[in-house]
Amino acid sequence: SQQGEEDPQALSIQEGENATMNCSYKTSINNLQWYRQNSGRGLVHLILIRSNEREKHSGRLRVTLDTSKKSSSLLITASRAADTASYFCATDPGNTGKLIFGQGTTLQVKP
Amino acid sequence: GAVVSQHPSWVICKSGTSVKIECRSLDFQATTMFWYRQFPKQSLMLMATSNEGSKATYEQGVEKDKFLINHASLTLSTLTVTSAHPEDSSFYICSASGGRVGETQYFGPGTRLLVL
Repeated sequence: SQQGEEDPQALSIQEGENATMNCSYKTSINNLQWYRQNSGRGLVHLILIRSNEREKHSGRLRVTLDTSKKSSSLLITASRAADTASYFCATDPGNTGKLIFGQGTTLQVKP
Repeated sequence: GAVVSQHPSWVICKSGTSVKIECRSLDFQATTMFWYRQFPKQSLMLMATSNEGSKATYEQGVEKDKFLINHASLTLSTLTVTSAHPEDSSFYICSASGGRVGETQYFGPGTRLLVL
């Protein structure tokens, strides 16, 4: 079964607004990763946050991790039309490299 | 960053035929490759883990005789869908890593398979 649940399933915002996506997982983890997938394409790795980290930044991306709540959030600031894509969180519960993906959030940024 | 390619990018085949999908790591040696399947508007589901020079390990519910995986070199893994049926129509994505625990995986662009 899927490890992660994400919400919202779909999000539509105007360009320039911030977008926040949440991910919850079930088992203990060493790290959590976020990926982006443009329609019909492969995945692009965005950011990895380790279990001993609470927050991490990369450009317009900000990821938080709360291991006590088994949840993570991805914030995209000052969104652009090019950010339109599906975003997935992924964990590796067994530390084997086998990624378990969340259901994903489909983000639409309107110009 | 590391580049992973897949070929073909899309394929249409008749029911009952076999289809081979290639996954290549272009600029690094991939000790481990993973194969995922993604149905429309759904997330990725891991099918199998492929290690160079050894047999693939399949996830529960994935038929190893139907989805043949070969990882003959450090830069190439192949997935063969044998006797394909319409329900095998999906988006197949591979990823590759150097094999170290916790190492970032790099994903291919995916192969869309349509079985008529």
